[in-house]
Amino acid sequence: GAVVSQHPSWVICKSGTSVKIECRSLDFQATTMFWYRQFPKQSLMLMATSNEGSKATYEQGVEKDKFLINHASLTLSTLTVTSAHPEDSSFYICSASDTGGGQPQHFGDGTRLSIL
Amino acid sequence: GENVEQHPSTLSVQEGDSAVIKCTYSDSASNYFPWYKQELGKRPQLIIDIRSNVGEKKDQRIAVTLNKTAKHFSLHITETQPEDSAVYFCAALGTGQFYFGTGTSLTVIP
Repeated sequence: GAVVSQHPSWVICKSGTSVKIECRSLDFQATTMFWYRQFPKQSLMLMATSNEGSKATYEQGVEKDKFLINHASLTLSTLTVTSAHPEDSSFYICSASDTGGGQPQHFGDGTRLSIL
Repeated sequence: GENVEQHPSTLSVQEGDSAVIKCTYSDSASNYFPWYKQELGKRPQLIIDIRSNVGEKKDQRIAVTLNKTAKHFSLHITETQPEDSAVYFCAALGTGQFYFGTGTSLTVIP
């Protein structure tokens, strides 16, 4: 149980393109999901907390207009990287918990985004 | 917010030896501390966790200790094997969000 599915796993696109990444909880409902960004050989940096039915909470320094988050249902959150540029290339990964207390977090497989 | 520091950043051990990774945190309200193992290009996998009302937890070759007073917790891997080679992250659950340590790249030399 407690499976988080993330799509797509790898995206290569041209600069200026907007890219949407989906995070789904397959066998549980998640009122809260988290989006992280991970550069090579570095840690997971929390970008934002996605809240079902309300606005996402962004970490300091993360542009909300650049990284659009929509949590339209209890099983789906999406992250859209708008007008992506090469510096947005990174590994994006989501997580969710099947318990109200957030323990433990289950991670999606991640999305490797490469902007040419 | 929470600040999690992790040491060392790299660690090499001989197969069969023990490995210890340490983390400190800043927020005294943090009450849940998981450890994740991440292989290259894959998702972090939870390997063990500990809650603030427990001082130590063990699962076969893996153990975690927590010192709430000093605000630090450690991962202990005994009888290391080559397949233990990966990057390990500690994390702390602060006020509703997880904050990760900087990671430790563990290499187990056969």
